[in-house]
Amino acid sequence: GIQVEQSPPDLILQEGANSTLRCNFSDSVNNLQWFHQNPWGQLINLFYIPSGTKQNGRLSATTVATERYSLLYISSSQTTDSGVYFCAVFDSGTYKYIFGTGTRLKVLA
Amino acid sequence: ETGVTQSPTHLIKTRGQQVTLRCSSQSGHNTVSWYQQALGQGPQFIFQYYREEENGRGNFPPRFSGLQFPNYSSELNVNALELDDSALYLCASSFGTGYNEQFFGPGTRLTVL
Repeated sequence: GIQVEQSPPDLILQEGANSTLRCNFSDSVNNLQWFHQNPWGQLINLFYIPSGTKQNGRLSATTVATERYSLLYISSSQTTDSGVYFCAVFDSGTYKYIFGTGTRLKVLA
Repeated sequence: ETGVTQSPTHLIKTRGQQVTLRCSSQSGHNTVSWYQQALGQGPQFIFQYYREEENGRGNFPPRFSGLQFPNYSSELNVNALELDDSALYLCASSFGTGYNEQFFGPGTRLTVL
């Protein structure tokens, strides 16, 4: 099955800083999503991005499907950006959804 | 538009008991997936239901079973609970299978004593 790895595992930023989170996957995928999990456990949709580039306010994402990676950019970070960021893909070979290992982000005021 | 809802919010059971968790899909969605998230880990895919049939399953034993109803809501049943079943159980809905965007409910936190 597909392996999904995220880096870095942990990240601490000062408010206002920019960051790049990476998601690598071991085989081609048809579905890739980025989520932010808040401290209460709710998974919030950030992007559905099997390929290409999307932007939503201070966040943007790029997936290069042919090179099997996706990047999530956070600009001008705020304390409310703290939490865990996951990427998830759908493995059409095994018909399973697979989440990455996550990046735990802490933004300091 | 109603989002994905789950019940109950929290649940405490003892080892060996059985539990049923419920999920209502977002309006317009016909597919429900269930995930288990242990503390400090990412969500693990349990299974997916589409048109009332199981359509994809992760590495979970048969004591994890489910149902989907004609209104696309779903239940997750876990028999013979073990201590390691303590986790956050997440439900997600989507339109169609596999290739479309999933939306998650708030989760049910299960504690097995």
